[in-house]
Amino acid sequence: DADVTQTPRNRITKTGKRIMLECSQTKGHDRMYWYRQDPGLGLRLIYYSFDVKDINKGEISDGYSVSRQAQAKFSLSLESAIPNQTALYFCATGGLPTDTQYFGPGTRLTVL
Amino acid sequence: AQSVTQPDIHITVSEGASLELRCNYSYGATPYLFWYVQSPGQGLQLLLKYFSGDTLVQGIKGFEAEFKRSQSSFNLRKPSVHWSDAAEYFCAVGRSSNTGKLIFGQGTTLQVKP
Repeated sequence: DADVTQTPRNRITKTGKRIMLECSQTKGHDRMYWYRQDPGLGLRLIYYSFDVKDINKGEISDGYSVSRQAQAKFSLSLESAIPNQTALYFCATGGLPTDTQYFGPGTRLTVL
Repeated sequence: AQSVTQPDIHITVSEGASLELRCNYSYGATPYLFWYVQSPGQGLQLLLKYFSGDTLVQGIKGFEAEFKRSQSSFNLRKPSVHWSDAAEYFCAVGRSSNTGKLIFGQGTTLQVKP
């Protein structure tokens, strides 16, 4: 089984809809991250969490929210989706001391 | 400001030829350095990482990278490319003591000619 799983893998939704992307990990890491990938821009950090009670905004958090339900679960929500949120979304986990990050397979989100 | 630059957006090499992908960084302290590979339709897989010590690091799939502090570079190399190496490659920098956030380059797409 994969160490980091994301659901759904693909999602098509309409403008204004609320959508949740889920991430689970079995690596036992405390740190979890949500990234967005757009062509030519690399990966940009949306939110990150160091434990259940520690959640922080990344560089592009506007329009997104997150929930850390447990050490192993970290969800990303789009409260009211808009077309420019169409992208590939990755969840990652990392642990001390070096915080090497391990990525899930990604969720391709299309907002029409 | 902290940043990572991958100067080559797209590279094409022949199968069996050598490969070097460039990565330059700007970072206030000695960074942790990473190379990831993303095959089409897949997530990111860690190829190799540098934290300290020997500046030449070996990774999976026959890749290696060399940290050059004086040039602020961490270039990825492979002596003989295989068709299955066609993918997008990302360089990233970070440091655990500084929130653990990674800064990614824009990526380099590698095409392999038969």
